[in-house]
Amino acid sequence: AQSVTQPDIHITVSEGASLELRCNYSYGATPYLFWYVQSPGQGLQLLLKYFSGDTLVQGIKGFEAEFKRSQSSFNLRKPSVHWSDAAEYFCAVQSYNTDKLIFGTGTRLQVFP
Amino acid sequence: SQTIHQWPATLVQPVGSPLSLECTVEGTSNPNLYWYRQAAGRGLQLLFYSVGIGQISSEVPQNLSASRPQDRQFILSSKKLLLSDSGFYLCAWTQGGTGYFEAFFGQGTRLTVV
Repeated sequence: AQSVTQPDIHITVSEGASLELRCNYSYGATPYLFWYVQSPGQGLQLLLKYFSGDTLVQGIKGFEAEFKRSQSSFNLRKPSVHWSDAAEYFCAVQSYNTDKLIFGTGTRLQVFP
Repeated sequence: SQTIHQWPATLVQPVGSPLSLECTVEGTSNPNLYWYRQAAGRGLQLLFYSVGIGQISSEVPQNLSASRPQDRQFILSSKKLLLSDSGFYLCAWTQGGTGYFEAFFGQGTRLTVV
């Protein structure tokens, strides 16, 4: 069955530090993969997406994600976190057969100055 | 441009009352439509999705149902609300057809069952 796991519920980092948010998925083949961000009181915004090609994907706001088929992972990274990055981050998986789109439980990022 | 409308924004309903939340999309045709419930610590739980008129896939057995009477209209319903139905409900759409597309979300409905 299609599923998404975000093992970290809450992460705290200092401004300027690097960031990695973990995402693992379960799917019979390579799904469509997404990362979304939800700032407080705001809707969800797409950061980046992946289906095929280069396994390192660049997104908006300086984020990138790396697809690792052997680990069924699609981790989100940022070299240097800004205070404005504090938000909740969701990994999502979409089936290319059924268009079913499911989200992980989210990781709340807190940034300290 | 495409827009998504979801209403009402907030709703307080007594236990046992019916529910109808409506979502409409403008500016596109044959979208994929989704209903999610967002709860703290549980992320966005997929409730229903639809790839066409009258085509509804249910993901979570519960007290809710969904319908798609028109191409760009998606309705979430309940005949009798339970306290556990309280939550934040989001409608979303993606472009239909082959490919992977960004999901766009409505503003959500905060439902409180009392």
